[in-house]
Amino acid sequence: EAGVTQSPRYAVLQEGQAVSFWCDPISGHDTLYWYQQPRDQGPQLLVYFRDEAVIDNSQLPSDRFSAVRPKGTNSTLKIQSAKQGDTATYLCASSFPGNTEVFFGKGTRLTVV
Amino acid sequence: QEKVQQSPESLIVPEGAMSSLNCTFSNSASQSIWWYQQHPGKGPEALISIFSNGNKKEGRLTVYLNRASLHVSLHIRDSQPSDSAVYLCAPDSGYNKLTFGKGTVLLVSP
Repeated sequence: EAGVTQSPRYAVLQEGQAVSFWCDPISGHDTLYWYQQPRDQGPQLLVYFRDEAVIDNSQLPSDRFSAVRPKGTNSTLKIQSAKQGDTATYLCASSFPGNTEVFFGKGTRLTVV
Repeated sequence: QEKVQQSPESLIVPEGAMSSLNCTFSNSASQSIWWYQQHPGKGPEALISIFSNGNKKEGRLTVYLNRASLHVSLHIRDSQPSDSAVYLCAPDSGYNKLTFGKGTVLLVSP
């Protein structure tokens, strides 16, 4: 079974540029999560979906961040006008209905210079 | 909001020794408490979870939960160099919503 797939694996931006991250969850998983993991920190939940609906986006840092999951499968996380403080690894994860284990992708490492 | 504290920040043990990691959490209503392992450049991977007070054993791993003291610990018997990684404690506040601690860096020396 394929795991959670994320792309790109790495991104380097200058401040003010925009970037999008893409995630393909495990087939059949209805819940999809985006986490931000700064260096030497644990992952911090940004937003999560059940099917196409946003369940909780209260931890998205600002209106510069947005996330969508239009068909309840793949998802995109976008950062407008990136700042140096956005430097982190962005992790996508998914879980199956009724199964509490959450499966993570390898992440996208973002560096903003 | 759930607060999770892990100790120690880092741990070095010789191969074959027991590794003991600690975690305290703030929400007594947390569901299962998960332990994840993360190797450099990889996403976290679930190791073991516990819901009820007491202990749970899976292979070389044993986890202890005390809900009264909001404390959970992970013990790795016969530690191997391949166990070297960051270990993350994550209470589930419901609907698989995990809050992670900062992690403990484990280094097992050959």
